[in-house]
Amino acid sequence: DTGVSQDPRHKITKRGQNVTFRCDPISEHNRLYWYRQTLGQGPEFLTYFQNEAQLEKSRLLSDRFSAERPKGSFSTLEIQRTEQGDSAMYLCASSSDGYQPQHFGDGTRLSIL
Amino acid sequence: QKEVEQDPGPLSVPEGAIVSLNCTYSNSAFQYFMWYRQYSRKGPELLMYTYSSGNKEDGRFTAQVDKSSKYISLFIRDSQPSDSATYLCAMSAGGKLIFGQGTELSVKP
Repeated sequence: DTGVSQDPRHKITKRGQNVTFRCDPISEHNRLYWYRQTLGQGPEFLTYFQNEAQLEKSRLLSDRFSAERPKGSFSTLEIQRTEQGDSAMYLCASSSDGYQPQHFGDGTRLSIL
Repeated sequence: QKEVEQDPGPLSVPEGAIVSLNCTYSNSAFQYFMWYRQYSRKGPELLMYTYSSGNKEDGRFTAQVDKSSKYISLFIRDSQPSDSATYLCAMSAGGKLIFGQGTELSVKP
């Protein structure tokens, strides 16, 4: 059990650029979640997948955000036309089902110049 | 009003003290309650996971859930400097987690 892996750990980009993050969940975990965390706050839910199906999206997830989990394994989160307000830690978590605890990766820290 | 309220602290205690961390919530649908520990620039690490009301103990950590009062607690006995971190409560109805703001804890040697 290698844990949840996220890449990159830190991304610095200019405002207006597109960025993509990757998450590899714990193997055989069917559920994969994305959260966003800003300084001094708890993580906020963005979206989650059950296998390859995206089952829920938060109102925080504007049209500039898109997430995929094409084969029910790894997932990507893309942000288009980044804005200053997108600066945050993006966390990925996985669980075997909706009733089991979620295990988190160490996140991707996004900095917008 | 937030669904989950947690005092952000900071909380500073001497080594060996008993630490009490608390959260209140408003959504009666929550059935699963968790405590996570988060070190700086790292992801949340699961400490305790409880279902419904009651107590759960794991080493120096005890989690309590009182659904009638919509109140959960985490107790840390014999606190150590290595316990210095941010502690996040989280809860769900079976799916996405709703987190508190986190309490920053510092244990002084």
